[in-house]
Amino acid sequence: AQSVTQLGSHVSVSEGALVLLRCNYSSSVPPYLFWYVQYPNQGLQLLLKYTSAATLVKGINGFEAEFKKSETSFHLTKPSAHMSDAAEYFCAVSDRMGGGNKLTFGTGTQLKVEL
Amino acid sequence: DAGVTQSPTHLIKTRGQQVTLRCSPKSGHDTVSWYQQALGQGPQFIFQYYEEEERQRGNFPDRFSGHQFPNYSSELNVNALLLGDSALYLCASSLTSYNEQYFGPGTRLTVT
Repeated sequence: AQSVTQLGSHVSVSEGALVLLRCNYSSSVPPYLFWYVQYPNQGLQLLLKYTSAATLVKGINGFEAEFKKSETSFHLTKPSAHMSDAAEYFCAVSDRMGGGNKLTFGTGTQLKVEL
Repeated sequence: DAGVTQSPTHLIKTRGQQVTLRCSPKSGHDTVSWYQQALGQGPQFIFQYYEEEERQRGNFPDRFSGHQFPNYSSELNVNALLLGDSALYLCASSLTSYNEQYFGPGTRLTVT
């Protein structure tokens, strides 16, 4: 079974500082990986995806993630945090067994941005 | 271009009752998935519908059932509600040949 592990349930950074949210995956087949963001009382918004093309993936709002097979990681980064980035972030892996695209999510990382 | 829509936004039910949640997929999408997100946790996959049939199912009891209509919209039904069913229920849609799932705003279900 596929799974993802997000290290750190809470991360706090200063405005303008680097954002690094960690995700490690486990998969028996080449994975499709995703990062989603969830603002309070809202659904999930897709930030970026990795689908076996370029290993460095750029997403919306200045976020990017690098797929590292040797480390089974897909960490999310942003060079300079903004107050509006405060939200919960979820890493997910896609299970394409049986023709479906079920997502398995990590437990999430709450990002706090301080002045 | 309308995104994924869900109704109702909020719902309060009593233990033992039944509930139906509704979802309309993003325009052009033909696959609908349902997820349950308990407070403070990541979403858990319930099931996925394609061509009006359940294609994949997560580890949820038979009390959870669904349906997809010819226009690709979908319903999630939960019977014999338990307190533990209180959660945000998220609907997501996608194209079969792509893997991005686009999520709706969710339905917040409270069981008392």
